[in-house]
Amino acid sequence: GQNIDQPTEMTATEGAIVQINCTYQTSGFNGLFWYQQHAGEAPTFLSYNVLDGLEEKGRFSSFLSRSKGYSYLLLKELQMKDSASYLCAVRDGNYQLIWGAGTKLIIKP
Amino acid sequence: GAVVSQHPSRVICKSGTSVKIECRSLDFQATTMFWYRQFPKKSLMLMATSNEGSKATYEQGVEKDKFLINHASLTLSTLTVTSAHPEDSSFYICSARGRLETEAFFGQGTRLTVV
Repeated sequence: GQNIDQPTEMTATEGAIVQINCTYQTSGFNGLFWYQQHAGEAPTFLSYNVLDGLEEKGRFSSFLSRSKGYSYLLLKELQMKDSASYLCAVRDGNYQLIWGAGTKLIIKP
Repeated sequence: GAVVSQHPSRVICKSGTSVKIECRSLDFQATTMFWYRQFPKKSLMLMATSNEGSKATYEQGVEKDKFLINHASLTLSTLTVTSAHPEDSSFYICSARGRLETEAFFGQGTRLTVV
């Protein structure tokens, strides 16, 4: 079966750095997405990786290793507004999006 | 990014009535629309995928007669929850993707409460 694993919850301190990991097992691979979702709102797009390596976008970076079925989202200089759920999603060989359950990130002052 | 507008954002309806949720792509042609349902503290559950002009493809376990999806134009898809029951109360989210797009863009979501 297809599976996406990410931690349920993480806590970090304002101003610090946090890394959210995502591992996947899917039938085929056509890209990995990270989304941010605040409570009661729809997800917003953060990043897309289809090739191995690091994609940097401001305070957020996303890394992909296809051979290991692994990705991480790195958030730097954490701000209180970064408190949200972070969803990892993989597009499989049939171009279906498989969603992880999300990681709830709690930022403390 | 592209803009997808979902309406209404919140709706409360009586048990047994039907509710229509609209999803519009405002600045691009959405060849594919996705409808999701999300329970509290849970991830997104894909309900169905619709391509413009075609019948929607429903995921296993989703009742197509209860959740009617129409994608009649390249800018509009609708989800109608028919004969709603309290267990249908949930957060419904649409997303839309253009023909050449890598990512899909989400609507704001609709909080449905059936009383």
